[in-house]
Amino acid sequence: EPEVTQTPSHQVTQMGQEVILRCVPISNHLYFYWYRQILGQKVEFLVSFYNNEISEKSEIFDDQFSVERPDGSNFTLKIRSTKLEDSAMYFCASSPGLSYEQYFGPGTRLTVT
Amino acid sequence: AQKVTQAQTEISVVEKEDVTLDCVYETRDTTYYLFWYKQPPSGELVFLIRRNSFDEQNEISGRYSWNFQKSTSSFNFTITASQVVDSAVYFCALFYGGSQGNLIFGKGTKLSVKP
Repeated sequence: EPEVTQTPSHQVTQMGQEVILRCVPISNHLYFYWYRQILGQKVEFLVSFYNNEISEKSEIFDDQFSVERPDGSNFTLKIRSTKLEDSAMYFCASSPGLSYEQYFGPGTRLTVT
Repeated sequence: AQKVTQAQTEISVVEKEDVTLDCVYETRDTTYYLFWYKQPPSGELVFLIRRNSFDEQNEISGRYSWNFQKSTSSFNFTITASQVVDSAVYFCALFYGGSQGNLIFGKGTKLSVKP
């Protein structure tokens, strides 16, 4: 069964450093998303991406964040200058259509020290 | 405004008990979709069900059943004869008509099933 994959599973970085989180969505899906979950809290939407551009972004997704689909398979989230409060689990998701179920990857745990 | 409320923060049951997880949603849109996801201790988010606003039929899948009532804006989830493997955090989520991908999650209900 096809699944969303994410790398790395865990990333530790120092405050102020740039990180890139990588995702490979399900191959025939058209919509891609990033969410984050601070430990013990609810899952929060960051951004949606369709047809090589951002469709919607939340207030969390400020200028420090960017997304890219550099080739036909990868979907990346970049945080330019990490802050302590960026420590969270970051989930990538994809769906075949806009209102369809979103399939989530296993997540990348980002720890900013 | 769009909102999902899961009032039960934690529920603890003994194996084989039935348990119902509550979800109440708010939206002004007439077209919307509701979801349930399971997050086991390993951390991944597992899709369980999708329901659109025009389909109020209840659904049963094995030990799982869902009760959608537009009159009370609720989409409750029942596990029959719970098992230890059902222990997880369960999230209800809303996709509203004007969204471009934003799934709005509730805060989740942590279910512990004890042997």
